[in-house]
Amino acid sequence: ETGVTQTPRHLVMGMTNKKSLKCEQHLGHNAMYWYKQSAKKPLELMFVYNFKEQTENNSVPSRFSPECPNSSHLFLHLHTLQPEDSALYLCASSQDNQPQHFGDGTRLSIL
Amino acid sequence: SQQGEEDPQALSIQEGENATMNCSYKTSINNLQWYRQNSGRGLVHLILIRSNEREKHSGRLRVTLDTSKKSSSLLITASRAADTASYFCATDFGGNTGKLIFGQGTTLQVKP
Repeated sequence: ETGVTQTPRHLVMGMTNKKSLKCEQHLGHNAMYWYKQSAKKPLELMFVYNFKEQTENNSVPSRFSPECPNSSHLFLHLHTLQPEDSALYLCASSQDNQPQHFGDGTRLSIL
Repeated sequence: SQQGEEDPQALSIQEGENATMNCSYKTSINNLQWYRQNSGRGLVHLILIRSNEREKHSGRLRVTLDTSKKSSSLLITASRAADTASYFCATDFGGNTGKLIFGQGTTLQVKP
């Protein structure tokens, strides 16, 4: 148990669907992150939130829309995704610049 | 350009042997971190070494950092089958952004 919970663990969706990924951290951290992990590619940072404010958007396409209603919850809203968006999406949290704690990810498959 | 490139990409050893993984990076860093990822799971932080440190130990793990060569190594001594996982280095540039740049990782298989 890492203290970071992601749901769902697996998601299959069509290109025209709308779905959301959820991340919750129980560690009292102030920063939360979304990463994309594709086969044979390095982990890609997508978004960073600090005290609910977005501090980093790593040129992510607008079909990915993050939401951070409070320091414990982070969502990634998905809309009109492409097959190349199939990947493992990882959420992490940290206190300031301390090491990050990761959830087990959502395995996303786009049909 | 990509920070944090590990080599080898894959490593297979027998239980009890030592495993060494290397990481190179391109620009100045605040610290360098190593993470482990078991199949189907998230990453777990192993060890952090700051730019002014040269070596750090944690149990069977030993990390070195050579800022002049912009490289780091992770040594796992007396490996166990449970050490089978992917290992990633991540560089922190500082600036209070929390932003880490990860390498592609080394996949380690430890055979019983």
